[in-house]
Amino acid sequence: DIQMTQSSSSFSVSLGDRVTITCKASEDIYNRLAWYQQKPGNAPRLLISGATSLETGVPSRFSGSGSGKDYTLSITSLQTEDVATYYCQQYWSTPLTFGAGTKLELK
Amino acid sequence: QVQLKQSGPGLVQPSQSLSITCTVSGFSLTSYGVHWVRQSPGKGLEWLGVIWSGGSTDYNAAFISRLSISKDNSKSQVFFKMNSLQADDTAIYYCARNYYGNWFAYWGQGTLVTVSA
Repeated sequence: DIQMTQSSSSFSVSLGDRVTITCKASEDIYNRLAWYQQKPGNAPRLLISGATSLETGVPSRFSGSGSGKDYTLSITSLQTEDVATYYCQQYWSTPLTFGAGTKLELK
Repeated sequence: QVQLKQSGPGLVQPSQSLSITCTVSGFSLTSYGVHWVRQSPGKGLEWLGVIWSGGSTDYNAAFISRLSISKDNSKSQVFFKMNSLQADDTAIYYCARNYYGNWFAYWGQGTLVTVSA
């Protein structure tokens, strides 16, 4: 199984910050990576697929980058509504696997 | 619009089975796969399995001995069944629609399942 490691389980942020969340796969996943945002009581919301493709309706302050094993989700100028938990997911091979999540908390 | 609505019990006794129905609208089950994912505090998000548009299935090897996914295309329903539940199977269970690849733009509302006597 491919292991997905998100280096930080949580960190404190301020409104307006640029935030970078990292995700590392245990092997090359060839950009088959999705990012999700989840708020309490809700199902995950798809933000990005193919490592860099922003889903329709997702604000342009979100972006994804990376290749091989290493991927990044960036949020420029953090807004209140961005406070949530973020997950990466690989879909290069089954079983599909997710990172453990990175929770953003306001300082 | 695309919707997935789940129905199933919230409480299951240890060693019993769990059955959840995912009723979809806005698309045909003959065109898209439907996956099952669960989420628990201890194990995070876990992919359980999928039923593809053609009716074949793939399961996470960790659950293959006690998991079954089937569907009725005419009723737009997907059926999830997991046997021999234990306390660590307590989780929110989601159905989710396959997109062009195996990522999920559409999710059910989730079913909170508690395994307890």
